[in-house]
Amino acid sequence: DAGVIQSPRHEVTEMGQEVTLRCKPISGHDYLFWYRQTMMRGLELLIYFNNNVPIDDSGMPEDRFSAKMPNASFSTLKIQPSEPRDSAVYFCASSLTGRAGELFFGEGSRLTVL
Amino acid sequence: GQSLEQPSEVTAVEGAIVQINCTYQTSGFYGLSWYQQHDGGAPTFLSYNALDGLEETGRFSSFLSRSDSYGYLLLQELQMKDSASYFCAGGQGGKLIFGQGTELSVKP
Repeated sequence: DAGVIQSPRHEVTEMGQEVTLRCKPISGHDYLFWYRQTMMRGLELLIYFNNNVPIDDSGMPEDRFSAKMPNASFSTLKIQPSEPRDSAVYFCASSLTGRAGELFFGEGSRLTVL
Repeated sequence: GQSLEQPSEVTAVEGAIVQINCTYQTSGFYGLSWYQQHDGGAPTFLSYNALDGLEETGRFSSFLSRSDSYGYLLLQELQMKDSASYFCAGGQGGKLIFGQGTELSVKP
């Protein structure tokens, strides 16, 4: 069974550009999470969905960040406009109801904003 | 709010036993998980304690005491490949909050 799939793996862009990160969760998982990891702040939860519905977006840093989950097999995290401080590794993870402590992470998208 | 505290780094020798502690402050907390992350890789799930006590999975064990807001990960028979960062994570509802991570260095 395929794991969580993220794209792109690496993205280098210039300040002010729009960035879209994509995630395909494990089939059958009903929770999807977006995390951001930096040396300074560690692993931060940005937003999570249950059955495609956003439940908690309190971790989204600013209005420049938005996330969608149009169906059970796809989610996007968009940054517009991007800034150098957004440089980080963005992880998508999924899990099943009843196994909330066990998240399956994708390989991450490493974003560099110049 | 929620916060989890763990040591920033630990060093041990191959074949030894090491314990990584995690204390937390949270409301509505329901369990403690542990994750391993190698440099450049993704966090991978190691264990989950929903109830007090010890859970054992091979060389790794995890313990939780909810009355003490405390847990630990115990790694036995350390191997070089165990050098990685280890995160404790606590949950509320469907949300999982991670500690800052403990970098474990295993020396020959």
